[in-house]
Amino acid sequence: AQSVTQPDIHITVSEGASLELRCNYSYGATPYLFWYVQSPGQGLQLLLKYFSGDTLVQGIKGFEAEFKRSQSSFNLRKPSVHWSDAAEYFCAVAPEGGGNKLTFGTGTQLKVEL
Amino acid sequence: SAVISQKPSRDICQRGTSLTIQCQVDSQVTMMFWYRQQPGQSLTLIATANQGSEATYESGFVIDKFPISRPNLTFSTLTVSNMSPEDSSIYLCSVEDRRGLETQYFGPGTRLLVL
Repeated sequence: AQSVTQPDIHITVSEGASLELRCNYSYGATPYLFWYVQSPGQGLQLLLKYFSGDTLVQGIKGFEAEFKRSQSSFNLRKPSVHWSDAAEYFCAVAPEGGGNKLTFGTGTQLKVEL
Repeated sequence: SAVISQKPSRDICQRGTSLTIQCQVDSQVTMMFWYRQQPGQSLTLIATANQGSEATYESGFVIDKFPISRPNLTFSTLTVSNMSPEDSSIYLCSVEDRRGLETQYFGPGTRLLVL
């Protein structure tokens, strides 16, 4: 069965600093990969997704993620964090062709210090 | 992406009662999904709802506890029946991209507290 690991439960960064959120997956083939963000009291918003092709994916709000097959990872990055980025971030995977079978990681709570 | 609304946005309920959550989409979609997010936990898929057919439930979830309706292509309801404090969660609906791009978009969620 597929699984997703987000090893960092909480991360605190200073505004303007760079950010990297880790995501590792376990799946037999190349899955579809997603990053969602959940702001306090809000639903989930899709930041970016990877299906195939270029392994560096650009998303909304200045986020990017890199798929590394050899490491089974799909880490999310942002070069300069803004206070409004404080939220919970979820990595999710789905089997190829099975985008309706999302498996979510446990999430990483991001705190931004001013 | 689709615009999704849910009602109610939050509720406090007594144990033993039932609550029906509504999910409305601004465009016709084939597949709608219901998730549960327990406090401090990640999202777990409850069931998939296609219009015109019975919902498909994931392991650990049963129709008697979480009956789902899907009367048309823009609307679905999830009922949480005979509630207990363990049902306190955020319930989210999502829809698959209507262009078939294997991507889900989520509603704002319903925050349920059962006393």
